[in-house]
Amino acid sequence: GEEVAQTPKHLVRGEGQKAKLYCAPIKGHSYVFWYQQVLKNEFKFLISFQNENVFDETGMPKERFSAKCLPNSPCSLEIQATKLEDSAVYFCASSQNRNEQYFGPGTRLTVT
Amino acid sequence: AQSVTQLGSHVSVSEGALVLLRCNYSSSVPPYLFWYVQYPNQGLQLLLKYTSAATLVKGINGFEAEFKKSETSFHLTKPSAHMSDAAEYFCAVSVPANQAGTALIFGKGTTLSVSS
Repeated sequence: GEEVAQTPKHLVRGEGQKAKLYCAPIKGHSYVFWYQQVLKNEFKFLISFQNENVFDETGMPKERFSAKCLPNSPCSLEIQATKLEDSAVYFCASSQNRNEQYFGPGTRLTVT
Repeated sequence: AQSVTQLGSHVSVSEGALVLLRCNYSSSVPPYLFWYVQYPNQGLQLLLKYTSAATLVKGINGFEAEFKKSETSFHLTKPSAHMSDAAEYFCAVSVPANQAGTALIFGKGTTLSVSS
């Protein structure tokens, strides 16, 4: 497609539950990125993929967060055993060249 | 390490006035620089980008930015503000430049308010 699609738009989980977010990049884009926006303003990079391979995972909390980009499937970001501090808006972006990243509308995760 | 500083977390202008949003970066190698806009409850929309071509970059909605290496700045301007420009603006840097897949480093954002 012409836009980055993210589902669901909103997700509410009780503390300790699992959360799974999905991202469909723009068709033809090889790179996918996940960012976490907390407190409205702060963007934190989590992980990036080149096709199905992890490109950079330096921002990823290893203990509870995992992500995948499999062929012919939306990319996913999974949080096991969510904590209150995981409440944030999670953005997916995709790019093809010159690192011009196009962002999806985000998934708002609320952990209660 | 690379970083981005946006001076002024909140800027207020009158409709028709000049908009100036400041961004300074820190990088030991030539960067790519970006300005994004975020409207309430929406994702980021790319306004413009500097990718080592012309230092004066024109973007969408009448915005432009000038890359000044000597000042390590990439300030965003618009000659005449419109009510619809009210939003959150983020400056971002990509280092190393021209390496697709590199994470963007964002500033903390500037809220632009426009009054009639």
